[in-house]
Amino acid sequence: SQQGEEDPQALSIQEGENATMNCSYKTSINNLQWYRQNSGRGLVHLILIRSNEREKHSGRLRVTLDTSKKSSSLLITASRAADTASYFCATDEAAAGNKLTFGGGTRVLVKP
Amino acid sequence: DAGVIQSPRHEVTEMGQEVTLRCKPISGHDYLFWYRQTMMRGLELLIYFNNNVPIDDSGMPEDRFSAKMPNASFSTLKIQPSEPRDSAVYFCATHPGQGVNTEAFFGQGTRLTVV
Repeated sequence: SQQGEEDPQALSIQEGENATMNCSYKTSINNLQWYRQNSGRGLVHLILIRSNEREKHSGRLRVTLDTSKKSSSLLITASRAADTASYFCATDEAAAGNKLTFGGGTRVLVKP
Repeated sequence: DAGVIQSPRHEVTEMGQEVTLRCKPISGHDYLFWYRQTMMRGLELLIYFNNNVPIDDSGMPEDRFSAKMPNASFSTLKIQPSEPRDSAVYFCATHPGQGVNTEAFFGQGTRLTVV
């Protein structure tokens, strides 16, 4: 079963706009990670936020984590056409020894 | 390091045939994961290993699927006999596992088509 659930399932925006996607999960975690997948390719790690962190930035990415609500959000600012991809959250479950499970993903289309 | 290497990249086989997917992890990574990705079911964790030992195989769909990690440099996922519904992209991923906050590194995947 999937630990994380993401919404929206798909998102279409214009270049320059911000893209926000959310992830909810079920169990206690060590950390939550976001990955990107271009069509037909493997997943690439974007950013990791630990369970004791609330917000983290990396370039145009901003991730928040609310462990009380068991949810996280990924914000991509000033989007570019090259940001078109699927984005997945993954949780490292605290009670399961680095077991890494993924949500269903959000497909993002950035129109030039 | 060349990263996680999976082979083959593409596999087309007939129903009933045995299929073996291979993964070479990044040297020194203690954890190895096998995932299956389909449009309908997303990215499913099938099984994962720690130091070559299977830790959780609860995601393996049925007895037709088996996975081994005979040493730290090699893992296989075998489907015998294969069925059309096994068609998917299979990913291998590894991470160091030396601390609790580490990212995973993915291979490029094997696209399996069973006809």
